[in-house]
Amino acid sequence: DTEVTQTPKHLVMGMTNKKSLKCEQHMGHRAMYWYKQKAKKPPELMFVYSYEKLSINESVPSRFSPECPNSSLLNLHLHALQPEDSALYLCASSRGGQRGRNEQFFGPGTRLTVL
Amino acid sequence: DQQVKQNSPSLSVQEGRISILNCDYTNSMFDYFLWYKKYPAEGPTFLISISSIKDKNEDGRFTVFLNKSAKHLSLHIVPSQPGDSAVYFCAARDTTSGTYKYIFGTGTRLKVLA
Repeated sequence: DTEVTQTPKHLVMGMTNKKSLKCEQHMGHRAMYWYKQKAKKPPELMFVYSYEKLSINESVPSRFSPECPNSSLLNLHLHALQPEDSALYLCASSRGGQRGRNEQFFGPGTRLTVL
Repeated sequence: DQQVKQNSPSLSVQEGRISILNCDYTNSMFDYFLWYKKYPAEGPTFLISISSIKDKNEDGRFTVFLNKSAKHLSLHIVPSQPGDSAVYFCAARDTTSGTYKYIFGTGTRLKVLA
């Protein structure tokens, strides 16, 4: 199983709503990532979890709150978002550890629209 | 400050010919480089990678070349097929912060013409 799943596929929310994005992998990967991608731009790193601990936060506004309940799951909690937060949110995982191949496997993304 | 750059936003190639996609980087501490292919509204799909200690890696129709002195890598696709039409991102792994951070280039849209 080399799949990363993400739910929901699409999400429309108002600026006062609270919602969560979910990501799951069963490859035994110990590093998990959230990226944001706007149209015609590269994926932009938001957060990295390594062995279930937050290791990188790329100065993301606090209206985005990540959570890693266990080694297979990664959530992104959203609250009081702005219309400019509308984007494709991608989750990825990788084996973790310094040695050898360490490619990231990406989920299909959640298309988020903030009204 | 873009540490990974793909200077060609688009490339068109005839079916059966070679596609060459280029990528430049600035940080000599990157230890691992990857190429991804992306279709609209989907996540990137891993294609091929290369460690910084190597200069070439081949997998079927895909070959990645790394020139460390020039801080340049390239992806060769031979022969190109219409199904290869997509956006291609190069990425570099940065471990200087003690964890694994992947920095993506701006992407090149490849169109393979039948």
